[in-house]
Amino acid sequence: DIVMTQSPDSLAVSLGERATINCKSSQSVLYSSNNKNYLAWYQQKPGQPPKLLIYWASTRESGVPDRFSGSGSGTDFTLTISSLQAEDVAVYYCQQYYSTPLFTFGPGTKVDIK
Amino acid sequence: QVQLQESGPGLVKPSQTLSLTCTVSGGSISSGSYYWSWIRQPAGKGLEWIGRIYTSGSTNYNPSLKSRVTISVDTSKNQFSLKLSSVTAADTAVYYCAGAKGGYNAFDIWGQGTMVTVSS
Repeated sequence: DIVMTQSPDSLAVSLGERATINCKSSQSVLYSSNNKNYLAWYQQKPGQPPKLLIYWASTRESGVPDRFSGSGSGTDFTLTISSLQAEDVAVYYCQQYYSTPLFTFGPGTKVDIK
Repeated sequence: QVQLQESGPGLVKPSQTLSLTCTVSGGSISSGSYYWSWIRQPAGKGLEWIGRIYTSGSTNYNPSLKSRVTISVDTSKNQFSLKLSSVTAADTAVYYCAGAKGGYNAFDIWGQGTMVTVSS
């Protein structure tokens, strides 16, 4: 199984400041034949389902504000919110879709306003 | 725009079978090469992928749940379903249905989720 870890568990950032969340996979999720990282990021607000933000590690889903960006390759990934807005308060999850029959999620990072 | 809606009992007794259905609206369950999954989330905890089905009937299951899970599809009703047998309190969670385009892709469509409590 590919185990996903995230850091930090939670962070508080001032409005307009940068928030950075890290995600690490226990083995590479880079598929060499197409050079794609099978890694997604989701945002989950209370009482709502997760919302896809980023897929292929760095491709923004349609409609997602450009203050959200994803980077990284292999086993180490980062989600960056360049200028935190009040509506970004949520829990953020990374997920690998490289390995079937088991897709796995990270434990989540809670983002709050400082 | 495709939407998903979970339905089923909110309370299940221990040792019984949990049964949920996800209805796909706004499009055909068979179009777009979508794989349809079930994912659950205990209160205050993270997300656990349960399994998925393609409209051909092909399934994949989380190995940790495989012995208790059955996912099926009814294309005539535009629905897919989850059955989880021999439930315990540990199966109490919000259950989501979700869709991913292709066999290896992120989940870009989610239902709102339905809370299932296992209790006598």
